[in-house]
Amino acid sequence: AQSVTQLDSQVPVFEEAPVELRCNYSSSVSVYLFWYVQYPNQGLQLLLKYLSGSTLVKGINGFEAEFNKSQTSFHLRKPSVHISDTAEYFCAVTLYNQGGKLIFGQGTELSVKP
Amino acid sequence: DSGVTQTPKHLITATGQRVTLRCSPRSGDLSVYWYQQSLDQGLQFLIQYYNGEERAKGNILERFSAQQFPDLHSELNLSSLELGDSALYFCASGETYNSPLHFGNGTRLTVT
Repeated sequence: AQSVTQLDSQVPVFEEAPVELRCNYSSSVSVYLFWYVQYPNQGLQLLLKYLSGSTLVKGINGFEAEFNKSQTSFHLRKPSVHISDTAEYFCAVTLYNQGGKLIFGQGTELSVKP
Repeated sequence: DSGVTQTPKHLITATGQRVTLRCSPRSGDLSVYWYQQSLDQGLQFLIQYYNGEERAKGNILERFSAQQFPDLHSELNLSSLELGDSALYFCASGETYNSPLHFGNGTRLTVT
């Protein structure tokens, strides 16, 4: 069965600094990969997705992620964060034939300090 | 705004009771998913419907049931509620079987 591990539960960072949120997955078959963001008291918003093609995926709000099949990773990066990026970030996978059912990681709380 | 509407936003009820959570998917989306988010379990997939038919089941308790109606809205029924059922319940919808999901803002259920 597939699983998702987010390696950091909390990431504190100063404003305008770069950030990387790490995600590893486990699956014996091809997967689709996603990053979602959850702001306080809101639902999950899709940041970006990898379905196929280029391994570097660009998303909204200046975020990007790189799919690394050999390392089974899908780390999320942003070169310069803002206070408004403070939120919970979730990595998720689904098998290509699983009809969109997402398996989520435990989440990484990004805290951007001034 | 994701276009997915969940009602009510908050629900407070007592143990042993039954509640119904409602979800209206984005216009045109045929797939509806239910997730439970709790501090100890994280985000857990409960169940999926596609165009009115159940397609996949996850960690859904037997006390819970769901359905998707002909107008594509969905309801999640939770019965014989226990304190541990307190959580945020999300509905998500997708255009087709494998489309990326769009989430509603959730229903926060508190069982006292």
